[in-house]
Amino acid sequence: KQEVTQIPAALSVPEGENLVLNCSFTDSAIYNLQWFRQDPGKGLTSLLLIQSSQREQTSGRLNASLDKSSGRSTLYIAASQPGDSATYLCAVKTFEDKLVFGAGTILRVKS
Amino acid sequence: DADVTQTPRNRITKTGKRIMLECSQTKGHDRMYWYRQDPGLGLRLIYYSFDVKDINKGEISDGYSVSRQAQAKFSLSLESAIPNQTALYFCATSFNNEQFFGPGTRLTVL
Repeated sequence: KQEVTQIPAALSVPEGENLVLNCSFTDSAIYNLQWFRQDPGKGLTSLLLIQSSQREQTSGRLNASLDKSSGRSTLYIAASQPGDSATYLCAVKTFEDKLVFGAGTILRVKS
Repeated sequence: DADVTQTPRNRITKTGKRIMLECSQTKGHDRMYWYRQDPGLGLRLIYYSFDVKDINKGEISDGYSVSRQAQAKFSLSLESAIPNQTALYFCATSFNNEQFFGPGTRLTVL
């Protein structure tokens, strides 16, 4: 059974810092991996999607990497801003077309 | 207009009541999903549907049922609500292996 773990569970950083969020998964047989952002009381916004054949994806200040063989992904946020404060969720898509989510990392960026 | 909408957005109900959560989408996607989110547990899959005639149980389907009334509509029902079904419920669609989520319904069962 696929399990996804995110570390740390919560993170507080001063504005301007670069930071890394970690995601690990137990079964390397994945179709893709997706990073989401969730604001309080809101739905999920897709940030980056990495296909299993890809190593990384970039969007603005965000960079996500994927090492399928070791079951790891990282989300790198450059020059963090208070508006980046949210919960970040990692999810892997199985070959049965199901998403398996981690519990999330709660990020707070202090101004 | 939002592509995936959920109604109601918030609901408080009592133990034993029947409740239906509705999801509509304008994206034209065949695949639709229902998840619940509990603090510290991430999202877990309740039911999913690959088309109107194809409905499948997810990880935590006990106590829930679904109806796919049309390509655009996928409803989740709690036949007899219980307090441990208090959670945030999300509907999602899927296309090209990417999922798109609705805003969520916060359900409280007293």
